[in-house]
Amino acid sequence: EDQVTQSPEALRLQEGESSSLNCSYTVSGLRGLFWYRQDPGKGPEFLFTLYSAGEEKEKERLKATLTKKESFLHITAPKPEDSATYLCAVQALYGNNRLAFGKGNQVVVIP
Amino acid sequence: SQTIHQWPATLVQPVGSPLSLECTVEGTSNPNLYWYRQAAGRGLQLLFYSVGIGQISSEVPQNLSASRPQDRQFILSSKKLLLSDSGFYLCAWSVGRTGYGYTFGSGTRLTVV
Repeated sequence: EDQVTQSPEALRLQEGESSSLNCSYTVSGLRGLFWYRQDPGKGPEFLFTLYSAGEEKEKERLKATLTKKESFLHITAPKPEDSATYLCAVQALYGNNRLAFGKGNQVVVIP
Repeated sequence: SQTIHQWPATLVQPVGSPLSLECTVEGTSNPNLYWYRQAAGRGLQLLFYSVGIGQISSEVPQNLSASRPQDRQFILSSKKLLLSDSGFYLCAWSVGRTGYGYTFGSGTRLTVV
C-alpha cells in the first residue's frame, strides 16, 4: 500500500525565516509526486509535480525537490501570505490512477 | 480551460436527513472523478471514484453513496445522515493515467446537527 508521511505537522515561522517541509513516501514505482497548497475552507491548489529523483521545481519562494524516498518543499524568506497547509501526494506507476495523500504540513508565517 | 464546480459551499443538516452534493466539470471529456472527505488531523480520505458514467468504486464502507448520471457530473448522497458524516467534502477530477494529478473543487463544509 502506498504511504505518505509529512513532517513536521505544524510549523511557525517568522517572516523571512527559511525552512523546509518533508514528505517521505513508499510506493511500488513512482509515476509522480505532487505538492498542493490548501488555504482554510478551500480546496487544495496544485503547486508542483515531480517525476524522477533529482528533479527540482520552483515557484516564487517555493522550491520542491525529489529523491527516491522523500521530497522537500523549501520555503525561502517566507511571507505571511505563504501561511497554508501544504499537502504531498504520490501516484503509483501501476494499478489505478489514485493519489495517496499525506496529512499535510500546516505552516504559519508570523509578520 | 477546465473548471470544476462544487456546491453548496456550506450545509447544515439534521441527523437522519438526506444529503445530495453535486460536482460538475467543464472543458474536458471522460474525466476520472473523485469524492474525498477531509477531517481535522486525518488528511484526505478517498470515498468514491469513477472512471465513467455509471461506474462507481467505493473505498470505504459507510453511510454514503455516489452516482455519475452524466459524463461530467458526480453526485454524493446519503439517505440518512449521521453525526459522523460531518466534514469537508471535496470533489476532484483527473484525466487518464498521465500523471497530471488532480484538480480539486472548492469544497463543501457539511455540519450534521
